[in-house]
Parts: sequence; C-alpha cells; structure tokens
Amino acid sequence: EPEVTQTPSHQVTQMGQEVILRCVPISNHLYFYWYRQILGQKVEFLVSFYNNEISEKSEIFDDQFSVERPDGSNFTLKIRSTKLEDSAMYFCASSFSETGRDTFGSGTRLTVV
Amino acid sequence: SQQGEEDPQALSIQEGENATMNCSYKTSINNLQWYRQNSGRGLVHLILIRSNEREKHSGRLRVTLDTSKKSSSLLITASRAADTASYFCATDPWSMQGGSEKLVFGKGMKLTVNP
Repeated sequence: EPEVTQTPSHQVTQMGQEVILRCVPISNHLYFYWYRQILGQKVEFLVSFYNNEISEKSEIFDDQFSVERPDGSNFTLKIRSTKLEDSAMYFCASSFSETGRDTFGSGTRLTVV
Repeated sequence: SQQGEEDPQALSIQEGENATMNCSYKTSINNLQWYRQNSGRGLVHLILIRSNEREKHSGRLRVTLDTSKKSSSLLITASRAADTASYFCATDPWSMQGGSEKLVFGKGMKLTVNP
C-alpha cells in the first residue's frame, strides 16, 4: 500500500534555530497537510496545501511557519526560530480528493531544547 | 466540548472481548475517519465512513454513523493484545463553501487489551 514518508523521524534542535521537516506524499495525491500533536494531546491541524498554495491554515500556523512543495514529490514544513513549545510530533498527510481518505506519515518527533 | 470527542477516554478489556468506542461531534460532516496510534508512533488509518453511510465493516472493525445524533462508534470484535493503542476519530467538516480540507481530531481513547 502506498505510504507517506517523513524524514527525519526524530530531530533535536536548539531554541531559536530553524528546522525543516520533510515529507514525500503519495504520488498521485493532490492535497497535502501538516498536523502536530503535542505529547499527550490531540492532533491539531496546521495547514493544508493544494494547487501549489496554502488553502487553509489554523491559528497555530503563524509567520514562524511556512510550507513549500519545491519539486513534484517533496512537501516541507519550515519552522523559523523554534521555541520550546514547538516540541511535538509533526505529521504530514495527503489525500487524493478533498473528502477522501487522508493518509498520514509516521511523523517527525521534534524536540526543542 | 470539542468536535470529535471519544468516549470512554480509556478502556481496559481482556483478549477476546469486544471493544466499543464512541465519538461525538458538533458540526455537519463530509466523512468521519477512525485512526489508530501506537504509543508515540504514527497515525494508521482504519476506516472512513461518509455522511450518507450508516455502517461500514473492515475485518474485525465495524463503524456506525448516526448523523442525526452526530455520533459514531467503532467496534473491535474479538480483541487481541496487539489492538492495544490509542484510537482517534476525526471529522471532515462540511461547509457551504466546499470542503474545509482539514480533519478535526478528538482527544483519543486509550485501549488496553490484556492477554
């Protein structure tokens, strides 16, 4: 079964540093998402991306965050100047249609120290 | 309370028993999806049920959807120790402007199946 691939699986970074989380969505999918899950809490939506632009974003997704699809396969989440509270599991997801099944990657655990 | 709340929050059963988890939500939806998460790991898609469907089966899983009550249930039959995980419902909210494209997750329910 096709998978969404995320790298790295773990990342430790110092507060104030920039991080880039990488995702390879399923190849024929058209909608791409980032979610995050702070330890022990619910999964929260960050941003959705379609047709090479952000289609929706949450309040969490402020100017510190950006997304990019630099080529036909990768989908990245950049966090500028990381804060301690950015420590979380970040999930990438993709779907073929707006209301179709969303397939999630295995996540990147980000620890900001 | 939040869109997509699972009930109970935690459930502990013996292997072979059935486990039922409930999810309530507040807004109209396009679909509702159930996911499983092993401790600290990724989200595994279990099943999607659309708003015009009432019941769906996949192996040992049975999902029901009652849009009039804005609730769904996930039944795992003949549970196994390997079913131990957290289970989340996630709704795809409907809007007049079209799909919102995001999923709204519940807080999750921790299922423990004792061997």
